Amino acid sequence: GAGVSQSPSNKVTEKGKDVELRCDPISGHTALYWYRQSLGQGLEFLIYFQGNSAPDKSGLPSDRFSAERTGGSVSTLTIQRTQQEDSAVYLCASSLAPLTGSQPQHFGDGTRLSIL
Amino acid sequence: KQEVTQIPAALSVPEGKNLVLNCSFTDSAIYNLQWFRQDPGKGLTSLLLIQSSQREQTSGRLNASLDKSSGRSTLYIAASQPGDSATYLCVVRGRTPLVFGKGTRLSVIA
Repeated sequence: GAGVSQSPSNKVTEKGKDVELRCDPISGHTALYWYRQSLGQGLEFLIYFQGNSAPDKSGLPSDRFSAERTGGSVSTLTIQRTQQEDSAVYLCASSLAPLTGSQPQHFGDGTRLSIL
Repeated sequence: KQEVTQIPAALSVPEGKNLVLNCSFTDSAIYNLQWFRQDPGKGLTSLLLIQSSQREQTSGRLNASLDKSSGRSTLYIAASQPGDSATYLCVVRGRTPLVFGKGTRLSVIA
């Protein structure tokens, strides 16, 4: 497709389980971002990938969260030993160039994660 | 630490009205500012992006302005329509990672 694709769209899992969320950015976009939006909260930055540079992980809330981007394209956000406070919508975005440039971010529809 | 505030939190207007959404930020050292709309259950749609060197951007009925020195941006929507109903988010990119406002929830009544 032409846009950012995220899967699954919904995920329900038990507390303590690991989950993987996938993001397929727009073809050719070098920058990829992960955010989360908790109920009633604003959007929160998690991690940013730009080309082959080391990712900016400064937004990851704990060491249970990790992300990788293989081949400069698809990215996977992994949450280990999930907790109820991890319940949120996880959004992925991509852009043609770094955020200091003039290219806007394009967002996927998100993965709604519910921890029971 | 950058903080982004959006006022009002919610707004309800009759169709056809012109309206202004406000965004303020505390650290004026920014690279750019972007306005998005978010529809329920959907991701974010980019509306306008203003570089730090720019004063405004226009797209159709939308106009966004940026006053970096005072830490303010406004999103002007002309002749509002029911289809404009959504949450509007202001996002700032600067020395710190992306910082989002909590949004303005807009309802345009037919």
